[in-house]
Amino acid sequence: SQTIHQWPATLVQPVGSPLSLECTVEGTSNPNLYWYRQAAGRGLQLLFYSVGIGQISSEVPQNLSASRPQDRQFILSSKKLLLSDSGFYLCAWNGRSSYNEQFFGPGTRLTVL
Amino acid sequence: GESVGLHLPTLSVQEGDNSIINCAYSNSASDYFIWYKQESGKGPQFIIDIRSNMDKRQGQRVTVLLNKTVKHLSLQIAATQPGDSAVYFCAEKSSGYALNFGKGTSLLVTP
Repeated sequence: SQTIHQWPATLVQPVGSPLSLECTVEGTSNPNLYWYRQAAGRGLQLLFYSVGIGQISSEVPQNLSASRPQDRQFILSSKKLLLSDSGFYLCAWNGRSSYNEQFFGPGTRLTVL
Repeated sequence: GESVGLHLPTLSVQEGDNSIINCAYSNSASDYFIWYKQESGKGPQFIIDIRSNMDKRQGQRVTVLLNKTVKHLSLQIAATQPGDSAVYFCAEKSSGYALNFGKGTSLLVTP
């Protein structure tokens, strides 16, 4: 069966520090991968998605970036965090068909102080 | 721009009653819809989906209804249980791979 992992589970970082969140998927190959951010009490905002290694589409301009160095690995980064970057970051995957539901990871709670 | 939204931000139901959560969408090109359940501090969990060529789909204790004429989607939960308490999101896709999520409805099941 397929599983999706995210780490760390929680993170507290000072403003201006760098960020690296990692997401890995097991049990599938060539998945579509997604990064979402969820502010407290709000819906999910799509940040990036990737349909293959090295292929990144950005949905929202911001100081975050994403990379996909391996087929089942998706990384969310920032060089300098802002207070507004605080939130719940969710990674998701689905199969090649665009009619497949997305499966979400457990999320990373990021607090920028 | 196109948007997905929910009629009610919160819904309180008694245990054993049926729950109905509604969602409106504005993009007439939307062709795929999903309902997710999210418990506090966890990632969203897939409940049920429906394509635009259908108007009803049933799962275990859940039914999704799609009315394309008025661009309305609903999730019905039969015999609501305390474990159903969570935030429920609808999401739609119109093109490509990205899902557009609504803001969510908080369902509270009371004994």
